[in-house]
Amino acid sequence: DAKTTQPNSMESNEEEPVHLPCNHSTISGTDYIHWYRQLPSQGPEYVIHGLTSNVNNRMASLAIAEDRKSSTLILHRATLRDAAVYYCILKNTGGFKTIFGAGTRLFVKA
Amino acid sequence: DTEVTQTPKHLVMGMTNKKSLKCEQHMGHRAMYWYKQKAKKPPELMFVYSYEKLSINESVPSRFSPECPNSSLLNLHLHALQPEDSALYLCASSRGTSFLDEQYFGPGTRLTVT
Repeated sequence: DAKTTQPNSMESNEEEPVHLPCNHSTISGTDYIHWYRQLPSQGPEYVIHGLTSNVNNRMASLAIAEDRKSSTLILHRATLRDAAVYYCILKNTGGFKTIFGAGTRLFVKA
Repeated sequence: DTEVTQTPKHLVMGMTNKKSLKCEQHMGHRAMYWYKQKAKKPPELMFVYSYEKLSINESVPSRFSPECPNSSLLNLHLHALQPEDSALYLCASSRGTSFLDEQYFGPGTRLTVT
């Protein structure tokens, strides 16, 4: 499985945008980029996924580099509730396993 | 209802005990999963059930025994565990086993083995 690399932690101020990077230099053409997050004392929850084009939903936006070797999860206005560990995961048609990497712990300051 | 429920929330057991963790979903999902998560680490996949049949066992020791009695229920039977098995055990479900199917996670059972 292709690997992802994320910063261990990031800090943001409340109500400011947050850009969470993910590197996946060995991504294959059939790998989709998925993001999950895990709030304190909860199980992970799905955030967003994409293949090549940028994607938006009610929670976040996903910006995918043209060469697909990196992507960025964008939270447009961080709230205290967004403090969580964010996982960038690659998944493809070859399997349905979800392999979590170390993730980025996001701290949000009031 | 997009909820996955897990019971109990906390469990303390001795190394000679037998206990079970339960997971339930009523979303009509046909795939269910068990993950193990140690403190400050990401979740690790243990088992996958697809249409009530075991599809994946990630080389989990036999002291963990999964069971899927029907499409809504998933159990994890525990026997002769070791202290290093203490962890958060997460259950998840998804509509199917497509790589695009979103997984819904329960809040987990925090297990302590003494």
